Amino acid sequence: DGGITQSPKYLFRKEGQNVTLSCEQNLNHDAMYWYRQDPGQGLRLIYYSQIVNDFQKGDIAEGYSVSREKKESFPLTVTSAQKNPTAFYLCASSDRITYEQYFGPGTRLTVT
Amino acid sequence: AQKVTQAQTEISVVEKEDVTLDCVYETRDTTYYLFWYKQPPSGELVFLIRRNSFDEQNEISGRYSWNFQKSTSSFNFTITASQVVDSAVYFCLGGVTGANNLFFGTGTRLTVIP
Repeated sequence: DGGITQSPKYLFRKEGQNVTLSCEQNLNHDAMYWYRQDPGQGLRLIYYSQIVNDFQKGDIAEGYSVSREKKESFPLTVTSAQKNPTAFYLCASSDRITYEQYFGPGTRLTVT
Repeated sequence: AQKVTQAQTEISVVEKEDVTLDCVYETRDTTYYLFWYKQPPSGELVFLIRRNSFDEQNEISGRYSWNFQKSTSSFNFTITASQVVDSAVYFCLGGVTGANNLFFGTGTRLTVIP
């Protein structure tokens, strides 16, 4: 089945540790995105990539880093510089024709 | 600048009532597209509909219908005969043709009471 996978579904880390969230898509989409959602809030764009080896900061990129070495993969690293990393993280991809974004199931990160 | 406004933060209806969720998209671009997504308690966003700015035809899909009015930049979503399974957060999104990043509204939490 075509789609987006994110792993793990739940992730727990100690404060001060970097953590990498996985996002893989087999939809052959060029563009990929990372969003953050806090409880009761909407989604905020962290980073997006329109093509391999290129990515742009979104609205809340501080404390995060990404890479796009392969079309299928867009991992997000939450660094120790991110002051409030506990949140729900959603990855998405889209094609160049419909711009419809397909979302993964999300990763719930808890940092204590 | 672009902005998606969902003025209704939370709505509660009794099962079988109709409910309309409002969305207004502000942009200076004449060509754009709008989406509605549903986020059930599981968290994953589910695509519901996509509409281009040049297509003002209303659309109906089962109990769901959408009304796009370009003159007021509104893209409202109506659920007819609501069911408990409709309980979710609904997001309206807007984007400009040619750009990949979308703009999210803050979402409307719909609770359908049995």
